[in-house]
Amino acid sequence: SQQGEEDPQALSIQEGENATMNCSYKTSINNLQWYRQNSGRGLVHLILIRSNEREKHSGRLRVTLDTSKKSSSLLITASRAADTASYFCAIIHGSSNTGKLIFGQGTTLQVKP
Amino acid sequence: DTGVSQNPRHKITKRGQNVTFRCDPISEHNRLYWYRQTLGQGPEFLTYFQNEAQLEKSRLLSDRFSAERPKGSFSTLEIQRTEQGDSAMYLCASSPQTGYTEAFFGQGTRLTVV
Repeated sequence: SQQGEEDPQALSIQEGENATMNCSYKTSINNLQWYRQNSGRGLVHLILIRSNEREKHSGRLRVTLDTSKKSSSLLITASRAADTASYFCAIIHGSSNTGKLIFGQGTTLQVKP
Repeated sequence: DTGVSQNPRHKITKRGQNVTFRCDPISEHNRLYWYRQTLGQGPEFLTYFQNEAQLEKSRLLSDRFSAERPKGSFSTLEIQRTEQGDSAMYLCASSPQTGYTEAFFGQGTRLTVV
């Protein structure tokens, strides 16, 4: 992996259940972002959490960040079939002067109707 | 503005041929990035432009790859003498100048080298 691990690699749940994905990284960060990718398409930004933040919410999404453990989690509540996609965390290094994103390998989520 | 646009969406080419991809970023975005994504992996950074200046290139970008962003508007990524290992999705993203915020991705160009 480029910057750390995401787990699980794959997750299958029933509609209405919650889905939790975890991401670990190795360096200091400016911020950490989560993206969604539907099969064979581009990435869509979901949420950004800065290094001095611990938790953020956006609709059914909740992201936490623990910089002491260099880890983040994404919680999707009350999942829907339309949430089926791959989810990637990405960091911007703390020392970055370009804003390039360093991605993990992703979690593939399947939500069964 | 319709977002980041990439053309073509799909490209099949024979090994050894040259290919060129185009990216039109969101018009007011100064920053433009190219990434490559292979099946089952996350995107990997290739190169970064701030306006027309190419400020960073990944070691993944061999001398067969070249990217340009003339006049700081659209960008092109050319691969010369394609190899089967170049088969991947090539993603373009842009973001505004101020701070490090979200990136806006295009739909990507899927390259298949046969």
